[in-house]
Amino acid sequence: EAQVTQNPRYLITVTGKKLTVTCSQNMNHEYMSWYRQDPGLGLRQIYYSMNVEVTDKGDVPEGYKVSRKEKRNFPLILESPSPNQTSLYFCASSFLQGYGYTFGSGTRLTVV
Amino acid sequence: DAKTTQPPSMDCAEGRAANLPCNHSTISGNEYVYWYRQIHSQGPQYIIHGLKNNETNEMASLIITEDRKSSTLILPHATLRDTAVYYCIVRVESNYGGSQGNLIFGKGTKLSVKP
Repeated sequence: EAQVTQNPRYLITVTGKKLTVTCSQNMNHEYMSWYRQDPGLGLRQIYYSMNVEVTDKGDVPEGYKVSRKEKRNFPLILESPSPNQTSLYFCASSFLQGYGYTFGSGTRLTVV
Repeated sequence: DAKTTQPPSMDCAEGRAANLPCNHSTISGNEYVYWYRQIHSQGPQYIIHGLKNNETNEMASLIITEDRKSSTLILPHATLRDTAVYYCIVRVESNYGGSQGNLIFGKGTKLSVKP
């Protein structure tokens, strides 16, 4: 089944403890992206990647890192999480930039 | 990307057609209209997109006015499972990178399908 898989689905962590949210797609898509969703602010893009080793900032990249060493994986790294990064995170992939995104099921992160 | 305007909420009776409007009066000639929906905290789901012709797929129909300043997403026979937030997005069809090719989500329309 074609899908985008995010892990974990839920995570509670403490301020400053480095964490990684994984994202993997099995559709051989070149384009991948991370969004966060907050009440009243909607979906905002964090980072995106056009292809392996090609990444770029979205609208809210501060406090996040990404890497794209393989086509299928696009992990989101929080080096020193803070409470304002408490949010619902979505990974997405598509064959072309912006075209028919497939989204993952989401990761609900709480930083205390 | 052009901005879009959607009503914040709409109701629809189960089994009836749901017509969701979107205004994009500043759309450029090379910008497509995309529709996505998000069912309660799930990942958004692609529905349909178009440039200037009307489009139909197994999920919905997209009607774009001749001047392209507005569009309507039609769910022909709404069910309770269609209750979701529907996003209308316009973007340039770009495969060359840069933020202009990304999807920018607005606040969308919360559609409630009622029995």
